Amino acid sequence: KAGVTQTPRYLIKTRGQQVTLSCSPISGHRSVSWYQQTPGQGLQFLFEYFSETQRNKGNFPGRFSGRQFSNSRSEMNVSTLELGDSALYLCASSLGHDFYFGPGTRLTVT
Amino acid sequence: GEDVEQSLFLSVREGDSSVINCTYTDSSSTYLYWYKQEPGAGLQLLTYIFSNMDMKQDQRLTVLLNKKDKHLSLRIADTQTGDSAIYFCAERRDAGNMLTFGGGTRLMVKP
Repeated sequence: KAGVTQTPRYLIKTRGQQVTLSCSPISGHRSVSWYQQTPGQGLQFLFEYFSETQRNKGNFPGRFSGRQFSNSRSEMNVSTLELGDSALYLCASSLGHDFYFGPGTRLTVT
Repeated sequence: GEDVEQSLFLSVREGDSSVINCTYTDSSSTYLYWYKQEPGAGLQLLTYIFSNMDMKQDQRLTVLLNKKDKHLSLRIADTQTGDSAIYFCAERRDAGNMLTFGGGTRLMVKP
């Protein structure tokens, strides 16, 4: 069974731009959650989607948004990028209480 | 402050046992997890324990949970150089399908 895939793996953007990251969960997993990892703040929860609905949301500004499609694939979008948005963005796929993470997307904002 | 706390660094010799500790504060935690992260990679799920258990063993890994003290530990037997990585503990609370992570413990294994 294929693992969690994330695209792209690396991105370089300029302040003020917007970016869309994609996550494909393990087949059959309907929950997808997103995390931001930075050296200063560690791993922080962004949001979780289940059956195309956002179920939980972390403490991030409205510039961070996401969605989930009927095939469970999820995207997250960050608008008006700031330097502090530079991070590794990880998505996790779960069926019950197991959470499996993808390799992440490394976003650099210059 | 963090709800889940870990020591920053642990150094052991190859072949020794490693014990990585974690404390958490929320008594409603249902599952507790250990993840491994190697440089440039995502998080690899190593093992997890349900909160009504006090021990779980999986090959070289042993997880101990002291719910009264809210203390979780991961023991790696016969530690190898390939075990060098950052280890994160995480809790899943009763409400919400999301994880709260500790800051990570960097394990260095010396040959």
